[in-house]
Amino acid sequence: DADVTQTPRNRITKTGKRIMLECSQTKGHDRMYWYRQDPGLGLQLIYYSFDVKDINKGEISDGYSVSRQAQAKFSLSLESAIPNQTALYFCATSDTGQFNEQFFGPGTRLTVL
Amino acid sequence: EDQVTQSPEALRLQEGESSSLNCSYTVSGLRGLFWYRQDPGKGPEFLFTLYSAGEEKEKERLKATLTKKESFLHITAPKPEDSATYLCAVLTYNNNDMRFGAGTRLTVKP
Repeated sequence: DADVTQTPRNRITKTGKRIMLECSQTKGHDRMYWYRQDPGLGLQLIYYSFDVKDINKGEISDGYSVSRQAQAKFSLSLESAIPNQTALYFCATSDTGQFNEQFFGPGTRLTVL
Repeated sequence: EDQVTQSPEALRLQEGESSSLNCSYTVSGLRGLFWYRQDPGKGPEFLFTLYSAGEEKEKERLKATLTKKESFLHITAPKPEDSATYLCAVLTYNNNDMRFGAGTRLTVKP
């Protein structure tokens, strides 16, 4: 079984809908991250969490919110999706003791029409 | 503002033709520079972390080096299975987040 799982893997939705992307990990890591990837732009950090009570904004947090339900679960929400949020979304984890060697999930491809 | 620039955007090599990928950065206070490999349809996979200028790390046909302004990923005698997008990222003392470059898409033809 994969160490970092994301659901759904693909999602098509309409402008204005609320969407939640979920991430679960079995690595026992404290730190979890959400990124989006657009062609030609690389990965951009949306939010990150260093433990269950710690949530931090990344480069591009506007239009997104997150919830850290447990050490193993970190969800990303789009409260009112818009077309320019169409992208590939990745969840990642890292061990507190490691210097940010991150382990990525398989990604969620989101299309907002 | 911290910036990470990778070049070239795309590189096509023949099997066995060695080359280098570049990652240049302008940041204030580098904590670490990271290289990742990403295959189509998958999440990035960690390759190396470099912490200080002069440091080198190797893994199979890959060797990463670091100076005060840039990092190189040298690929020696590449094989078709080395085809992927290679991403570099920096972590600085100013931020607790990672800044990624746009990547170099490497294609190795048999």
